[in-house]
Amino acid sequence: SQTIHQWPATLVQPVGSPLSLECTVEGTSNPNLYWYRQAAGRGLQLLFYSVGIGQISSEVPQNLSASRPQDRQFILSSKKLLLSDSGFYLCAWSPGQASNQPQHFGDGTRLSIL
Amino acid sequence: AQKITQTQPGMFVQEKEAVTLDCTYDTSDPSYGLFWYKQPSSGEMIFLIYQGSYDQQNATEGRYSLNFQKARKSANLVISASQLGDSAMYFCAMRGNAGGTSYGKLTFGQGTILTVHP
Repeated sequence: SQTIHQWPATLVQPVGSPLSLECTVEGTSNPNLYWYRQAAGRGLQLLFYSVGIGQISSEVPQNLSASRPQDRQFILSSKKLLLSDSGFYLCAWSPGQASNQPQHFGDGTRLSIL
Repeated sequence: AQKITQTQPGMFVQEKEAVTLDCTYDTSDPSYGLFWYKQPSSGEMIFLIYQGSYDQQNATEGRYSLNFQKARKSANLVISASQLGDSAMYFCAMRGNAGGTSYGKLTFGQGTILTVHP
C-alpha cells in the first residue's frame, strides 16, 4: 500500500534562517505531489504542486520554493524565513489529476518562526 | 474559479445522534469531485468520502454519507451514530479535472469544528 512520510513533525526557526521540509511517498510511481499551508483554525491553501520530476507549479507568490529531485520526493524550502511563514504545512499525493482521485496527506509539520 | 463554502464554524452533537455538516460549492467545470476530510487535533488530514458530479446515487462509507444535491450545489456530510472520536475539524473540498480550469487542484472550505458530547 502507499504511504506518505513528512518530516520534521515540528520545527522552531528564527526569522531569517533557511528552511527545508521533506516529503516522500512509498508504494507508487509518478505521483502528483502537493504542498499546502494551513493557518490556525483555517482551511488549506495550496502552495505548490508537481506532476513529475523537476516540474513545479506555484499557486501563490511567496517566500517559499519547492523542488522535486526524485520521483517520490518533494521538498519545500526557503532561503530566509519570515514571521508570516509560520503555520502548519502539509504534503499530499494523488495518483493523477482526475477529479475522482482523492489526495492523501502526510502528518504535517508545525512551523513556528521566532 | 472554484469555491467551497462551509457556513457552520462549529457544531455540537450528542453521542449516538446523527449530525449534518453543510457544504455548498461553485465551479464552472462540467465534471468535478467532492470530498470530505476529517482533521483531528493531531493535525493529519483523513479522507472520508467522495462524490462524483455525475454519480446518480449519494455516496456512503460506513457511518458517513453524502447528501448530494447538484441543482442546489450542495454536498452535505451526514455522520450517523456520532462517537466521541468524531470530534474534529471537518473540511469539504472540490477537485476539477486537469483539463478544466482548475488543473486538478483541491479547493478546501474553511472547515467546521464538530464536538461530540457524551
